[in-house]
Amino acid sequence: DARVTQTPRHKVTEMGQEVTMRCQPILGHNTVFWYRQTMMQGLELLAYFRNRAPLDDSGMPKDRFSAEMPDATLATLKIQPSEPRDSAVYFCASGLGRGAENYEQYFGPGTRLTVT
Amino acid sequence: RKEVEQDPGPFNVPEGATVAFNCTYSNSASQSFFWYRQDCRKEPKLLMSVYSSGNEDGRFTAQLNRASQYISLLIRDSKLSDSATYLCAVRLNDYKLSFGAGTTVTVRA
Repeated sequence: DARVTQTPRHKVTEMGQEVTMRCQPILGHNTVFWYRQTMMQGLELLAYFRNRAPLDDSGMPKDRFSAEMPDATLATLKIQPSEPRDSAVYFCASGLGRGAENYEQYFGPGTRLTVT
Repeated sequence: RKEVEQDPGPFNVPEGATVAFNCTYSNSASQSFFWYRQDCRKEPKLLMSVYSSGNEDGRFTAQLNRASQYISLLIRDSKLSDSATYLCAVRLNDYKLSFGAGTTVTVRA
């Protein structure tokens, strides 16, 4: 059963610390997405990649957030320095991203981040 | 105006009942449509892709109305396990999905 995996599942950190979240997309999927979900804002797209190239990071605060795909099996999202308003659940999703009907995205279990 | 809007509910229905709800989207050029289900403190899980002709998967039926710019989800013979938040997602172009805030459904015994 192919799944998106994310680590860590939970992270509690103090304001000002660096946070790194990791995602392993489903093998063979070439589009990878980072979302943030909060009660107030719902599910927001932060950034996404296709074939490891960043296509859109307009949803991401540029001064503190960065997203990369060092290789096809790993995507990372970093926050430096973290702030209490970054507390949220961060989801990674992957998809095949090709073909007229094949834009389905599959989500990982998320990283629940609390910044104190 | 938000790109994708949903009635937050909650829709409280008895077991065995039928429940239906809609999701409206603002951009008439939207190309793909999806329903996701999200349980409390879990990730969204793809429930159905919505095709132009409408589609059915067991007790779930999805419809697309391009003229009025909405998609619908109907759940027949509701089960307790159907209690969840249902998110609709719309793709305008490229690969990005815009999600609604979700509709909460609670099925009671």
